[in-house]
Amino acid sequence: EVQLVESGGDLVKPGGSLRLSCAASGFTFSNAWMNWVRQAPGKGLEWVGRIKSKTGGGTTDYAVPVKGRFTISRDDSKSTLFLQMNSLETEDTAIYYCTLNGGSAFDIWGQGTRVTVSS
Amino acid sequence: DIVMTQTPLSSPVTLGQPASISCRSSQSLVHSDGNTYFSWLQQRPGQPPRLLIYLVSKRFSGVPDRFSGSGAGTDFTLKISRVEAEDVGVYYCAQATHLPFTFGPGTKVDIK
Repeated sequence: EVQLVESGGDLVKPGGSLRLSCAASGFTFSNAWMNWVRQAPGKGLEWVGRIKSKTGGGTTDYAVPVKGRFTISRDDSKSTLFLQMNSLETEDTAIYYCTLNGGSAFDIWGQGTRVTVSS
Repeated sequence: DIVMTQTPLSSPVTLGQPASISCRSSQSLVHSDGNTYFSWLQQRPGQPPRLLIYLVSKRFSGVPDRFSGSGAGTDFTLKISRVEAEDVGVYYCAQATHLPFTFGPGTKVDIK
């Protein structure tokens, strides 16, 4: 069974940092392009960024609101995706989902991990 | 950025009756590779989103055949042939043709 499990969400103060993880199973992670998507409380979905597979170039792309503050990386040996978030702002408060890019960019979703940025 | 517009934003429906949601993009979603990376997602209350339809009209694994997608270019439609109680939730359209990927605002479907 294809599965994504996010972790690492927490309460953090503005200006702080946090690293989220997404553990993947049930598919060949090293071949997969992956995304992060977030959802602020009571709001819609917002794409955060993506990382290509190493054979696809391994490059990353980011949404403007997070560019320069967030970094997506991967450890193919551990089938794990990461989101390093620095200089956090209150507007970054959201549930963060990782998604598997298959026929669409959003084939499979994890359950999400909650990030709260507040003083 | 590509702006995705959905209508209606709220849709009270009768069980067993059809329902339809439209989505329009601000630019064509045809990719240079010839594919149209347009999807429909369902988010039930308290759950993460789930892929229903991808590449405009392909049903994802396990999705009931009462869900169908159609459209081309900038105009797309999701149809539910007969609404069931488990279909209550918010439906989002999404595009992954152009960076940044973007979503529609969501259409809330509930039972009359």
